[in-house]
Amino acid sequence: EAGVAQSPRYKIIEKRQSVAFWCNPISGHATLYWYQQILGQGPKLLIQFQNNGVVDDSQLPKDRFSAERLKGVDSTLKIQPAKLEDSAVYLCASSLVPRGSTDTQYFGPGTRLTVL
Amino acid sequence: SQQGEEDPQALSIQEGENATMNCSYKTSINNLQWYRQNSGRGLVHLILIRSNEREKHSGRLRVTLDTSKKSSSLLITASRAADTASYFCATGGGFKTIFGAGTRLFVKA
Repeated sequence: EAGVAQSPRYKIIEKRQSVAFWCNPISGHATLYWYQQILGQGPKLLIQFQNNGVVDDSQLPKDRFSAERLKGVDSTLKIQPAKLEDSAVYLCASSLVPRGSTDTQYFGPGTRLTVL
Repeated sequence: SQQGEEDPQALSIQEGENATMNCSYKTSINNLQWYRQNSGRGLVHLILIRSNEREKHSGRLRVTLDTSKKSSSLLITASRAADTASYFCATGGGFKTIFGAGTRLFVKA
């Protein structure tokens, strides 16, 4: 079974530029998560989708971050414009069904973003 | 904000020794999970313990949960160099799963 795929793996941009990340979850997984992990910290949930609807985006900086999950499968996360403090690893995860929060999450390898 | 807080922040042991990591949290939970993250990679799920369970085993892993103290521990027995990684507890309540800052474990060969 293929795991969660993410691209690109690395991205370096100047501040104020825009960037987009792509995630392909495990086939059949209804729930998709985007996390931001700053160096030395744990992952922070940015947004959670169930199929193509948003379950939780309370910690998504909506003035600059946006995400979509068209057709309930792939997802993209965009930052526009980027700030220095956005430098982090962006992790995508998926789970089979959102049984409360008991479902195991499967993580992709992440995209390491550096904003100069 | 992150609910789980791991202790210690970093741990260095010799191969063959046991490693114990602790996690404390603040609000009531439905379950608690432990994940491992190798350097530069995504997280891997290790074990889930529900709020009505007190102890759970998986291979060399032993997890305990004390809901009265709002704490959990992860024990890795007979550690190996390959266990070198960051370990995160994640507390689950409702639809939210919140990760702590992690314990960085280094196992010396």
